[in-house]
Amino acid sequence: GENVEQHPSTLSVQEGDSAVIKCTYSDSASNYFPWYKQELGKGPQLIIDIRSNVGEKKDQRIAVTLNKTAKHFSLHITETQPEDSAVYFCAASIYTGGFKTIFGAGTRLFVKA
Amino acid sequence: DTEVTQTPKHLVMGMTNKKSLKCEQHMGHRAMYWYKQKAKKPPELMFVYSYEKLSINESVPSRFSPECPNSSLLNLHLHALQPEDSALYLCASSQPSFNQPQHFGDGTRLSIL
Repeated sequence: GENVEQHPSTLSVQEGDSAVIKCTYSDSASNYFPWYKQELGKGPQLIIDIRSNVGEKKDQRIAVTLNKTAKHFSLHITETQPEDSAVYFCAASIYTGGFKTIFGAGTRLFVKA
Repeated sequence: DTEVTQTPKHLVMGMTNKKSLKCEQHMGHRAMYWYKQKAKKPPELMFVYSYEKLSINESVPSRFSPECPNSSLLNLHLHALQPEDSALYLCASSQPSFNQPQHFGDGTRLSIL
């Protein structure tokens, strides 16, 4: 089945710096890759997604890149702010009789003011 | 505010109790999901409903019984749970087609005594 690996598990940056989180997936049939942000006491919230026919997507300070050949995708956050501190999950979606989303292990991001 | 509403927010129950978790969405989504999330771990898929029919059961023990009475509601009936079932239970919904983001509720935090 699909497996998603995510690195690093913890990331600490200074306010204003950039943060990069990297993921790899195993099943070439996956073709939708969402990123979720989870704050304490809340459910995961979608922050950006990318489909397999696109190599890069940007939304203000957040960008995602996808390399289908290498099965890698990455999240880039620029000009980080303290409110960006949260757990970030990458995910890959696959259809196996139903729409299944497999999550990476998560990255805990700390942005120091 | 999340568009997927879960009740109750917290639940404490004994191992012999029967209780139900409820999830409601009014976004017109026809796919709904139950996930289990342990502390510092990613969400793990339990069940997927598509057009009110169960399409994926991730080999979940029978003490968890899902129900989708209509396109807006999703229940999870609990009976004879074990202490290791203590976790955050998340509901999500999406359009029932590929490449569609899932919208999560804030979960029910379940504690088994």
